Amino acid sequence: SQKIEQNSEALNIQEGKTATLTCNYTNYSPAYLQWYRQDPGRGPVFLLLIRENEKEKRKERLKVTFDTTLKQSLFHITASQPADSATYLCALVHNAGNMLTFGGGTRLMVKP
Amino acid sequence: NAGVTQTPKFRVLKTGQSMTLLCAQDMNHEYMYWYRQDPGMGLRLIHYSVGEGTTAKGEVPDGYNVSRLKKQNFLLGLESAAPSQTSVYFCASSQGYDGYTFGSGTRLTVV
Repeated sequence: SQKIEQNSEALNIQEGKTATLTCNYTNYSPAYLQWYRQDPGRGPVFLLLIRENEKEKRKERLKVTFDTTLKQSLFHITASQPADSATYLCALVHNAGNMLTFGGGTRLMVKP
Repeated sequence: NAGVTQTPKFRVLKTGQSMTLLCAQDMNHEYMYWYRQDPGMGLRLIHYSVGEGTTAKGEVPDGYNVSRLKKQNFLLGLESAAPSQTSVYFCASSQGYDGYTFGSGTRLTVV
């Protein structure tokens, strides 16, 4: 069966360090993958999109990698800040349309 | 720029009651979606629309109906609410293969 797996345990890191979140998938051949941020009581907010033919994408302090051989995406936040504390979701397109399937998300806690 | 607006924000229903959740977007997006989010289950697609007048089933469509009579609006209906439909409902819209814009959600409790 198709699965998108993100670490359900919270990731706790110290301010200033790099946070790395993992998204693994099975039985998908996604054309692209997206990352979202969700704060408590709010809707997800789009952060980055990476296509299958792209190895890496950067936006300010954010970096996403996409390895279609390993079936894995890594999401990095450099110089992390307490304001980066949130749940981060990865999502894949799983058919010809633009319908996304989401992973369960990983909660990131950045401590001062 | 409002983006995606969902109404209502909160609602409590009794089992068997019906209601309609309204989603409106002002970005002229072609695609619109309804998801539900439950603890431990993540976001699951209920129904979606690829354009005005079109709708299609997602992963968990049972017990829900949708309509998209106007491009900017996507309605989600519950004909006979059940406790299993207690959830947070999110509407989203997108254009092409861009990222989704989500609304702020509707928290529904069915007692």
